Amino acid sequence: DAGVIQSPRHEVTEMGQEVTLRCKPISGHNSLFWYRQTMMRGLELLIYFNNNVPIDDSGMPEDRFSAKMPNASFSTLKIQPSEPRDSAVYFCASSFGTGGNGYTFGSGTRLTVV
Amino acid sequence: AQKVTQAQTEISVVEKEDVTLDCVYETRDTTYYLFWYKQPPSGELVFLIRRNSFDEQNEISGRYSWNFQKSTSSFNFTITASQVVDSAVYFCALSEGAKRGAQKLVFGQGTRLTINP
Repeated sequence: DAGVIQSPRHEVTEMGQEVTLRCKPISGHNSLFWYRQTMMRGLELLIYFNNNVPIDDSGMPEDRFSAKMPNASFSTLKIQPSEPRDSAVYFCASSFGTGGNGYTFGSGTRLTVV
Repeated sequence: AQKVTQAQTEISVVEKEDVTLDCVYETRDTTYYLFWYKQPPSGELVFLIRRNSFDEQNEISGRYSWNFQKSTSSFNFTITASQVVDSAVYFCALSEGAKRGAQKLVFGQGTRLTINP
């Protein structure tokens, strides 16, 4: 099993540009989570999906952020327009069933907005 | 709402010392799951342990041990005979499991552990 795959690993972009982060969950997992990690705020849950449907997006910071899960094997997190304060590491995780089955995290995407 | 508190922001010890990382959680559910993750300098999140709310037995895995006490809502993590390779940020996390479907995993702020040679 290849695990949760995130791309790109690193992204440097200029303020105002659109940024798209991608995630491929583990095959068979039916839930997907997007987290953001910063020094100030730690690991924050942005949004999570269950069976491709967004369940809780209360952590999405503002309208510049959007996430989609068009099918069970792919999700995107888009920031448009990006700002320097969006610089962070973004993690994707997937799981199956309830929390008792655990959560598997991808390697993360380090985003730098200059 | 679920919450995890790791009061120790940073801990620094000398190699071979024992060290305990504290974790206190809040939840209204009777069914929940507790986790510990390790984040080494390379940045990935490494799963260490999962414990459900109905299993209060302590667990030992090599130099690592976990003490789960529902009476104090704590799930503490002890490293015995610490080594430099244990240096990392450690996160405690909680998910509530009573509802159907996956539940979000909420993290504590993390404890940065430095083991000095």
